[in-house]
Amino acid sequence: DTEVTQTPKHLVMGMTNKKSLKCEQHMGHRAMYWYKQKAKKPPELMFVYSYEKLSINESVPSRFSPECPNSSLLNLHLHALQPEDSALYLCASSQSKVMDVYFGPGTRLTVL
Amino acid sequence: DAKTTQPNSMESNEEEPVHLPCNHSTISGTDYIHWYRQLPSQGPEYVIHGLTSNVNNRMASLAIAEDRKSSTLILHRATLRDAAVYYCILRDISGNTPLVFGKGTRLSVIA
Repeated sequence: DTEVTQTPKHLVMGMTNKKSLKCEQHMGHRAMYWYKQKAKKPPELMFVYSYEKLSINESVPSRFSPECPNSSLLNLHLHALQPEDSALYLCASSQSKVMDVYFGPGTRLTVL
Repeated sequence: DAKTTQPNSMESNEEEPVHLPCNHSTISGTDYIHWYRQLPSQGPEYVIHGLTSNVNNRMASLAIAEDRKSSTLILHRATLRDAAVYYCILRDISGNTPLVFGKGTRLSVIA
């Protein structure tokens, strides 16, 4: 199994909703990442987890809350989002922070 | 952070070689040169990486200048499936710098 899976594929939410994005990998990778990608732009790093601990938070607003319940799972909890948060959210993993990074297909989020 | 410069876009004919350039004049001795690509409606995927010597794999070749201030990703025979945004990224050998994407080069392949 050499893939990163993300659910849901698409999500539409209102500004007052609470939702979660889920990411899973079974490659034994110990580093996991969240990226945000707006249309026609490169992915932007949001968070890095290393050995289930948050190691990098790129000054992301607190309405985005990451969680790494175990070494295979990574969640991104969403609350009180704004329409400008609409984007493709990409999860990724790597065996360590120096190794090749594998990306999931992303969750396309629309905030109304 | 060391930065890279790539052309915004390039075009290639199908079944011809494609040379995608990347300038990284401020590269440090401990930076690896990584290439990723992002096909339409997909997440990025790893292509190749190198430090000093040229590298080949099943997807592409990476040619690194002797002074390491530039590199070229070579697709030997472009296919329509190679149409993507190609990103050249520097990563420190320590792993303390995460994967940070620049603007990349959008490659179009014409049948």
